[in-house]
Amino acid sequence: GAVVSQHPSWVICKSGTSVKIECRSLDFQATTMFWYRQFPKQSLMLMATSNEGSKATYEQGVEKDKFLINHASLTLSTLTVTSAHPEDSSFYICSASSPGQGYYGYTFGSGTRLTVV
Amino acid sequence: AQSVTQLDSHVSVSEGTPVLLRCNYSSSYSPSLFWYVQHPNKGLQLLLKYTSAATLVKGINGFEAEFKKSETSFHLTKPSAHMSDAAEYFCVVSVRGGSNYKLTFGKGTLLTVNP
Repeated sequence: GAVVSQHPSWVICKSGTSVKIECRSLDFQATTMFWYRQFPKQSLMLMATSNEGSKATYEQGVEKDKFLINHASLTLSTLTVTSAHPEDSSFYICSASSPGQGYYGYTFGSGTRLTVV
Repeated sequence: AQSVTQLDSHVSVSEGTPVLLRCNYSSSYSPSLFWYVQHPNKGLQLLLKYTSAATLVKGINGFEAEFKKSETSFHLTKPSAHMSDAAEYFCVVSVRGGSNYKLTFGKGTLLTVNP
C-alpha cells in the first residue's frame, strides 16, 4: 500500500534557528501534499496545500514566510520552520495524495514532534 | 460549508464491550467521510471511508460505520473493544477547495479501554 515517510520523528532546536521536516512518498507519486499542525489534545489544523512544481497554498492565518514549503519533486515535500520560537513547538504531520489513489486517498506520515527551547 | 462534529471528547469502555463513537456532519453536497485513528505521537491510520457506495462501511480491526443521510451521522462502532483500540479517533469530511480536496477534521474522541 501507499507509504509516506516523514523525517525526523522528533527534533529539539534552539529558539531562532530553522528546522526542516521532510515528507516522502515511498511507493507512489504524490502530486499533492498537505501539511498539518496539531496542538496537544487537539485536532489537526491544515496549514498548507502544495502541488508539485507550484507554490504552496496557505490557509488563513498561517505565515508563509515562517513556514516555508517546497514540493520540488513528485516524491518529496519539505516544511521549514524559520526562526523558530517556543510557540512553534507542536506536532507536524504531512499527508500525500495522488490521482492514482483517487480523491479519497490520503496517506499520512508518522508526524514530527518539534520542541523549540 | 462542510464540517464535522464529534459528539464526545472522551469515551471509556471496558474490554470486550461495544464501542460507539459518534459523528455528525454538515455538507452542502454528498460528502465523503472518513474515520482515522491516531495512537500517541503517531501519524494517522485510515480505519474506513464512505464514498457514496454502500452506506454500511466495514473497516480494519473490526470497526464499521453507517452513513445515515436522514440523521447526517456517521457513527463508528465495534462489537467488542480490545485494549489496543485505546487511541484518539477522528471523524473527517472531504471538502473541495480550489483544485484540491481537503480534509476537515473533527475535534477527536479519546477512547479509553479499561481491563
